Amino acid sequence: AQRVTQPEKLLSVFKGAPVELKCNYSYSGSPELFWYVQYSRQRLQLLLRHISRESIKGFTADLNKGETSFHLKKPFAQEEDSAMYYCALNPGTYKYIFGTGTRLKVLA
Amino acid sequence: GAVVSQHPSRVICKSGTSVKIECRSLDFQATTMFWYRQFPKQSLMLMATSNEGSKATYEQGVEKDKFLINHASLTLSTLTVTSAHPEDSSFYICSAIPSGGQDIQYFGAGTRLSVL
Repeated sequence: AQRVTQPEKLLSVFKGAPVELKCNYSYSGSPELFWYVQYSRQRLQLLLRHISRESIKGFTADLNKGETSFHLKKPFAQEEDSAMYYCALNPGTYKYIFGTGTRLKVLA
Repeated sequence: GAVVSQHPSRVICKSGTSVKIECRSLDFQATTMFWYRQFPKQSLMLMATSNEGSKATYEQGVEKDKFLINHASLTLSTLTVTSAHPEDSSFYICSAIPSGGQDIQYFGAGTRLSVL
């Protein structure tokens, strides 16, 4: 079955600390994965996608096919990173499968 | 960047009335749009896929007669909640994929529906 799992509902870190938001997927084909972010009172917006292999706002995510993971990382968290983060899988039909989301709180 | 406009942002209606929500792609054409429902502190639940010029494809458990979708043009999809009831109160979000290009979904800001 196709599935995206974000095991943490809430992650709290102190400003300047490293952040890792976990995402695991279940998909038999070649996955296309995304991270979306939703800041308070704003719309969902694309943060990054695995095929871009780029760093956005200091965040990176590496696809690990062996572990079927696509964890989101940032070496030094900022207060403005506080938001809801969703991992999503495109199984080739454009119908994304979203994880349940992780709320990141960066404490001063 | 690609912008999706969703209107209204908030609507309050009486039980039994119908409510229409519009989703527009402002600077791109979208053959495919999606409608989601988001419950408090939960993830997005895909309701249906809206295809320009053809019938929408509904996810299992979503009543097509309850949630009418029309995708009359390449820039507009509408969701009509018919005979709304309090249990339909929710946050509805649309997204659109640019035609013939990247497969990134761009999201509207959402519509908060409250049925009294």
